[in-house]
Amino acid sequence: GDSVTQMEGPVTLSEEAFLTINCTYTATGYPSLFWYVQYPGEGLQLLLKATKADDKGSNKGFEATYRKETTSFHLEKGSVQVSDSAVYFCALSGPWGGSEKLVFGKGTKLTVNP
Amino acid sequence: NAGVTQTPKFQVLKTGQSMTLQCAQDMNHNSMYWYRQDPGMGLRLIYYSASEGTTDKGEVPNGYNVSRLNKREFSLRLESAAPSQTSVYFCASSEGRGTQYFGPGTRLLVL
Repeated sequence: GDSVTQMEGPVTLSEEAFLTINCTYTATGYPSLFWYVQYPGEGLQLLLKATKADDKGSNKGFEATYRKETTSFHLEKGSVQVSDSAVYFCALSGPWGGSEKLVFGKGTKLTVNP
Repeated sequence: NAGVTQTPKFQVLKTGQSMTLQCAQDMNHNSMYWYRQDPGMGLRLIYYSASEGTTDKGEVPNGYNVSRLNKREFSLRLESAAPSQTSVYFCASSEGRGTQYFGPGTRLLVL
């Protein structure tokens, strides 16, 4: 079945460091790909998404490019801040006959120290 | 707009007790979902509802039931709680293009 594999954490960085969180997927067809972020004590919120190959999603300085040839959607940020400390989830969606279910990776916890 | 709301925020149950987790959305979304989040497991889909009046099982439905009361509300019921159901439960809704909007979660502890 469809699945998402993301790098295990936790990841600890100093402020202004470069961030990469790897995500690869297995899916039939052409899924949409997402990164969700969960701040402490909160629900998940969409960070960015890409709906077709070679699309780049971006938001709040984060970027990820949909790479069909390597089945990857790695999350990057050039200079992290303490406020970026959170758990990051990679996910994929459909098409599954109209169903809109998301399949999530297990999450990567990021801690950014001042 | 409140988005997706969940009640209660926190609950402690004894084994065998029952309870219903409530979820409501004000975004006029057709699809709604219930997930559980456990350490190291990510989010796992319990049940979902693609539209009012329909529900389907997700990855981990055993021990749960759901009701799509109307377009706004989607409840999750535990008939006889077990310690294995200790988790954080999230409700979500979707506008139909893959993006889901999540509530703040319910922390459930079953003793």
